[in-house]
Amino acid sequence: DAGITQSPRHKVTETGTPVTLRCHQTENHRYMYWYRQDPGHGLRLIHYSYGVKDTDKGEVSDGYSVSRSKTEDFLLTLESATSSQTSVYFCAISGKQGTNEQYFGPGTRLTVT
Amino acid sequence: RKEVEQDPGPFNVPEGATVAFNCTYSNSASQSFFWYRQDCRKEPKLLMSVYSSGNEDGRFTAQLNRASQYISLLIRDSKLSDSATYLCAVSSGTYKYIFGTGTRLKVLA
Repeated sequence: DAGITQSPRHKVTETGTPVTLRCHQTENHRYMYWYRQDPGHGLRLIHYSYGVKDTDKGEVSDGYSVSRSKTEDFLLTLESATSSQTSVYFCAISGKQGTNEQYFGPGTRLTVT
Repeated sequence: RKEVEQDPGPFNVPEGATVAFNCTYSNSASQSFFWYRQDCRKEPKLLMSVYSSGNEDGRFTAQLNRASQYISLLIRDSKLSDSATYLCAVSSGTYKYIFGTGTRLKVLA
C-alpha cells in the first residue's frame, strides 16, 4: 500500500452545507490529486497540487476548492454541497523518485441529500 | 471523441481463458501509459506501467502501439480472482492523467 489515507470514508450531508475531505500521505510524494468517480464518467480530475501551496484546477473544479499547507495533506472543500456532488472521491499521489505512477487512497463516499 | 476510450464490456470468460482489452487514446503527445485494476467499491490499484517495449508481469502482458494510438492488456490463464474492472490511464507528461471508464471482466467457473 502506498501510505494514503482519506477521511472521512463515508459522509452524508445536506444540500448547502460546506464539506471538507482530507487526504493524508506518508510517502513524501510531490504531487497530489483529487478525483471524483461516477458511473459512465470514470475518474475525473477535480484539482491537483504540485507542491505545498501550489495547486491547479482539473476538468471538473467548479464548486470545489483545495488547500495544501503541508506535503502530507491535501484538503478538498465543497463550499456549498449540491446533490450533483454526490460521488466517490479519490485522492491520489505521484512523483516520488521521479516516477509518474499514481497511487490511490481508499476513497470517500459522499452523499448530498 | 473521448481522449481515452475503452470497451465497457462486460467480458465474460471461462477460467483458464486468455482475454485481451484495448484502450485507445487521441493525444499523440501522450508519453506514459498505465493499467489499473479496480474491484467493486474499492480504489484503483496500479497493475502495470506500459513501456514502449511492452511489459510482462506473470500472466499479464501490456503492449503499446503508438502508430495506432492504443495500449493493450492481455491476461493469460484467467483466474476467478481476475474478475474486476480494468482502467487504462494516459499521461502527456505533465503529471496529469486521463482515465478510461474501464472494461469489466468476469471470469466464470
